[in-house]
Amino acid sequence: GNSVTQMEGPVTLSEEAFLTINCTYTATGYPSLFWYVQYPGEGLQLLLKATKADDKGSNKGFEATYRKETTSFHLEKGSVQVSDSAVYFCALRDSSYKLIFGSGTRLLVRP
Amino acid sequence: NAGVTQTPKFQVLKTGQSMTLQCAQDMNHEYMSWYRQDPGMGLRLIHYSVGAGITDQGEVPNGYNVSRSTTEDFPLRLLSAAPSQTSVYFCASGNTGELFFGEGSRLTVL
Repeated sequence: GNSVTQMEGPVTLSEEAFLTINCTYTATGYPSLFWYVQYPGEGLQLLLKATKADDKGSNKGFEATYRKETTSFHLEKGSVQVSDSAVYFCALRDSSYKLIFGSGTRLLVRP
Repeated sequence: NAGVTQTPKFQVLKTGQSMTLQCAQDMNHEYMSWYRQDPGMGLRLIHYSVGAGITDQGEVPNGYNVSRSTTEDFPLRLLSAAPSQTSVYFCASGNTGELFFGEGSRLTVL
């Protein structure tokens, strides 16, 4: 079945450091890929998405590129801020509406 | 700007009690779903619905019932709560694009 694997956390970085959170997926067909973010005590919010191979999603300085050849959708940001501290979820949606999530990666950014 | 509204936000139950988590959306979305979030396990799909009168099971449906009588509402019922159902529950709705999530309902079963 379809699945998403993302790197375990927590990831601890200093402010202005470069961020990469790895995400790989297993799916039949051509899924859409998403990154969601969850701030403490809140629900999930869409951060960015990509719907086909080689698409790059971007938002708030975060980027991820849909790589079909490596089945990956790694999240990157060039310079993280304390306010980026949150849990990040990679997810895929196949031909149905169902969204399948990875286990989440907690990011802690220290001043 | 209500979006997806879940009630209650917090609930404590005793083993064997029943309860219903309410979910309502005002965006006219056909698709609605319930997830549970447990530490280290991400979000797991419990049940989902692609329209009024249509529901289906997700990854972890046992112990939960749902119904969809209107487009707006998608309640989740626990008929006989168990400690293993202690979790944070999220309702989400959407159409062909992103899902919109409620703020969550934290349930503790003693």
